[in-house]
Amino acid sequence: NAGVTQTPKFRILKIGQSMTLQCTQDMNHNYMYWYRQDPGMGLKLIYYSVGAGITDKGEVPNGYNVSRSTTEDFPLRLELAAPSQTSVYFCASSQTSGGGNEQFFGPGTRLTVL
Amino acid sequence: GENVEQHPSTLSVQEGDSAVIKCTYSDSASNYFPWYKQELGKRPQLIIDIRSNVGEKKDQRIAVTLNKTAKHFSLHITETQPEDSAVYFCAATPLGNAGNMLTFGGGTRLMVKP
Repeated sequence: NAGVTQTPKFRILKIGQSMTLQCTQDMNHNYMYWYRQDPGMGLKLIYYSVGAGITDKGEVPNGYNVSRSTTEDFPLRLELAAPSQTSVYFCASSQTSGGGNEQFFGPGTRLTVL
Repeated sequence: GENVEQHPSTLSVQEGDSAVIKCTYSDSASNYFPWYKQELGKRPQLIIDIRSNVGEKKDQRIAVTLNKTAKHFSLHITETQPEDSAVYFCAATPLGNAGNMLTFGGGTRLMVKP
């Protein structure tokens, strides 16, 4: 099992550019999440999904969009990048039931917007 | 929504000493409280969790205690070692809600001096 994988690892964007952060999990988890972590800060939930075709906003969704067409993939789209979106982005997944509630995190994508 | 506060933000201890990190939460419906460890430049990883039907849980040198009445929970690390140096995050969620979304505390940077 590769677990949760994310691409790219690093990216520099210019203001106004767009990009998609990729996230894939091979654990057959229904729940998936996107977080951002600003330097020296905690994790803030951007969007989450409870299954293919179902997504919902988290605490800080402005400037982002997501889709969930398959159980495995949960891409995060940044439109019109702004310096405030400079952050490390983590994707995570978890089981829905059966006693396993641990969220498994990907390695993160470090994004800089200049 | 849920609000989780974590203290202290930084903690420096001598190797072999104990470390205690405290968190308070606001939503009385929260019933699952995980702790994550994040080493520098790495992804957060679950180290221990507790559910509200349990007051204390221990795993070797780490333990978590929960006081539901006071809405606070704590992480205890005994016999600290240099490899315990990392940022620790507490979190809370009312399990059973769609998505099992975690609300994270702001993190504690633990430094263990040899």
